[in-house]
Amino acid sequence: EIVLSQSPAALSLSPGERATLSCRASQSISTFLAWHQQKPGQAPRLLIYDASNRPTDIPARFSGNGSGTDFTLTINSLEPEDFAVYYCHHRSNWRYIFGQGTKLEIK
Amino acid sequence: EVRLVESGGGLVQPGRSLRLSCVVSGFSFGENAMHWVRQVPGKGLEWVAGISWNGGTMVYADSVKGRFTISRDNARNSLYLEMNSLRAEDTALYYCASEARYSYVLDQWGQGAQVTVS
Repeated sequence: EIVLSQSPAALSLSPGERATLSCRASQSISTFLAWHQQKPGQAPRLLIYDASNRPTDIPARFSGNGSGTDFTLTINSLEPEDFAVYYCHHRSNWRYIFGQGTKLEIK
Repeated sequence: EVRLVESGGGLVQPGRSLRLSCVVSGFSFGENAMHWVRQVPGKGLEWVAGISWNGGTMVYADSVKGRFTISRDNARNSLYLEMNSLRAEDTALYYCASEARYSYVLDQWGQGAQVTVS
């Protein structure tokens, strides 16, 4: 069974800084990795799919990278609305697996 | 505008049953696989169950297998989750989510239905 491990668990940064979040898979998953953002009281929102593709409504400051077992989500020039929890996820044999999340906090 | 609206949540005693519904609008519901994902407040996301576009394939998390049943009615643009033998650990916010047709990813989510077993 594939396990997704996210790091760090929490990250404190200031608006305008760059955030780098990591997601590691316990075995190779090619580029089948997605990232979601979740704000308090809201449903998750898809940010990145297939490791590096961005839906058309997602700002360009969000980017994803990686393949195999190591993936990163980068947020350039943090905006106040970017402070949230971020989850990576992968589908394996119809089942969706989520990382435990990284909480991005305002410093 | 894409909308997924869950209903049917509530407070229920252990061992009892509850049925969640999710009504979808704004996209071709009958062409998408659908899933239920739950979240305990303050905790992470846990996938619960999924169903193929035509209902021919249904898959469950081990934690709910044998107790929960996912189904859909494409004519009504609706997804369901029948939950039996409920336990305290089933207490969570239940989201319905659609699977994108362009990739294996959950691309649209409802706002969730709260289920409390106590």
